[in-house]
Amino acid sequence: ELKVEQNPLFLSMQEGKNYTIYCNYSTTSDRLYWYRQDPGKSLESLFVLLSNGAVKQEGRLMASLDTKARLSTLHITAAVHDLSATYFCAVDILVLRVANAGGTSYGKLTFGQGTILTVHP
Amino acid sequence: EAGVVQSPRYKIIEKKQPVAFWCNPISGHNTLYWYRQNLGQGPELLIRYENEEAVDDSQLPKDRFSAERLKGVDSTLKIQPAELGDSAVYLCASSHEGQILYEQYFGPGTRLTVT
Repeated sequence: ELKVEQNPLFLSMQEGKNYTIYCNYSTTSDRLYWYRQDPGKSLESLFVLLSNGAVKQEGRLMASLDTKARLSTLHITAAVHDLSATYFCAVDILVLRVANAGGTSYGKLTFGQGTILTVHP
Repeated sequence: EAGVVQSPRYKIIEKKQPVAFWCNPISGHNTLYWYRQNLGQGPELLIRYENEEAVDDSQLPKDRFSAERLKGVDSTLKIQPAELGDSAVYLCASSHEGQILYEQYFGPGTRLTVT
């Protein structure tokens, strides 16, 4: 069974500081997603990482993937209050379809527990 | 482009009552997912459809949960009878299998409270 673990689970940051959220997973995969969720809202896609060594950046957030270490990181640079939210990583694996459909496909996401990020002045 | 639409947004029912949730995916997305998100946790996949076929329902509690996706577009998830432990947010997502990314787009969710 695939396990996805994030740490830390809670992160209180000062504005302007840098920090990293880690996402470890237990089985081979080269597809990983990062999502953001604001309170009471749905999940917003941040990054899609599709290969070993992939690095994506958007504003103050940068995500990377090391498939050999089974590790992804989400780095926050010079945090601002607007980044306060819960961040999830999700690992995607190839799965067999049920017998009457056959074949394999991606799309079976396993999510981490989430990291609640609070940025304060 | 309109996003994934779900209704209702909130539902409060007593235990042992039935409940149904509806989802309309993004136009052209052939794959549809139902997830359950318990408080303080990440979403867990319940069922995945490709067109009208359920290709992964291994995590759907089939004794009380059922789902359908008629005509390969809208989908309904039903719980009958509901139990206290079913209180959660039920998320629908969709993706286009033809896209390399397989990126899933999530709806706003239905928050279910069972009393």
